[in-house]
Amino acid sequence: GQQLNQSPQSMFIQEGEDVSMNCTSSSIFNTWLWYKQEPGEGPVLLIALYKAGELTSNGRLTAQFGITRKDSFLNISASIPSDVGIYFCAGLNYGGSQGNLIFGKGTKLSVKP
Amino acid sequence: DAGVTQSPTHLIKTRGQHVTLRCSPISGHKSVSWYQQVLGQGPQFIFQYYEKEERGRGNFPDRFSARQFPNYSSELNVNALLLGDSALYLCASSPRLAGSSYEQYFGPGTRLTVT
Repeated sequence: GQQLNQSPQSMFIQEGEDVSMNCTSSSIFNTWLWYKQEPGEGPVLLIALYKAGELTSNGRLTAQFGITRKDSFLNISASIPSDVGIYFCAGLNYGGSQGNLIFGKGTKLSVKP
Repeated sequence: DAGVTQSPTHLIKTRGQHVTLRCSPISGHKSVSWYQQVLGQGPQFIFQYYEKEERGRGNFPDRFSARQFPNYSSELNVNALLLGDSALYLCASSPRLAGSSYEQYFGPGTRLTVT
């Protein structure tokens, strides 16, 4: 199935460092969503983006909707151990009146105390 | 408020058997979507239901089917199970079908193992 290109695949960082990850697509999306998934659990919605160029924050997390509508970025500032998990981007093009999300393969984040 | 709930949590089945997975959406949400997540991958879209009607189908064989009930809960059925069907099956609910300010909220998933 179709998937977005998400990078990096994994990151090993020191507590307190900032983190950046991104997601790209060959298709245009109307909506970008960022999720975090921890082992044995379902994805948890972190940030939703609806307009090209939009910059949205949720605590230490900041995400941007790329102006080309084909990419999105997630930044985490001052990482802490509980940030550990897999971060997924998901794009939605609701032109077909459907709400099926297209996901990236995820970025696995490890934080060393 | 209760989030999306799914049952069972874990399931072990044998090749050739069938399985039924269940999902209850967030109260007030009318749309339910099903996703399959294999290890190391992002979720893959299977179905979306809205107001009891199928409104979207991903690239999955006809062995996969689903339905939505009047209370908006949903079932995912998989027949003639294959080893490759082993995965985490996720249910997501949303207030509406699509459109602006759209969000999906996921349940904890059902871990299906086919032996």
